[in-house]
Amino acid sequence: EDQVTQSPEALRLQEGESSSLNCSYTVSGLRGLFWYRQDPGKGPEFLFTLYSAGEEKEKERLKATLTKKESFLHITAPKPEDSATYLCAVKGDGSEKLVFGKGTKLTVNP
Amino acid sequence: NAGVTQTPKFQVLKTGQSMTLQCAQDMNHEYMSWYRQDPGMGLRLIHYSVGAGITDQGEVPNGYNVSRSTTEDFPLRLLSAAPSQTSVYFCASSHPEQNSPLHFGNGTRLTVT
Repeated sequence: EDQVTQSPEALRLQEGESSSLNCSYTVSGLRGLFWYRQDPGKGPEFLFTLYSAGEEKEKERLKATLTKKESFLHITAPKPEDSATYLCAVKGDGSEKLVFGKGTKLTVNP
Repeated sequence: NAGVTQTPKFQVLKTGQSMTLQCAQDMNHEYMSWYRQDPGMGLRLIHYSVGAGITDQGEVPNGYNVSRSTTEDFPLRLLSAAPSQTSVYFCASSHPEQNSPLHFGNGTRLTVT
């Protein structure tokens, strides 16, 4: 059974204080690992897809990396508008289903 | 471009009542799905569909029915609401291509008393 564990559950940063969020996964044949951002009262918004170990993708202050067992979402010099819950999800071989982790709630204080 | 539209945004039901949560997408996506999101539980898949006329169960299908008569619409039916179904429900869709990302609606917040 595909599983995703995200840590920490919550993270509070000062503006400009860089950090990383972790997503550990177990899946029978990774077809893709997805990162989403969710703002309060809204649906998740797609950020990145990673396909294979060693792959990296960047968007503004966010960079996602992937190994065979985990993915990291690095946040460089965050701003208050980066405050949100960040969700990680995986899709395995032969499956149409996307399995989500419980998310990391990020708060960036000015 | 509306994307994925869910109605209603909020709903309160009494135990035993039935209702349908509506979901429509205008992106011609073949794949559509329903998730529920509960505190501490994350997003859990209820039902999904890979195309019109085809539906399948997800992780937590009990108490919910779906049908897919058109590409655009994927309604979720609660036949006899229970307090355990109090949750936020999200509909999502994607292209059928491998690893195409899901596009989510903004959710329906359901309370069952």
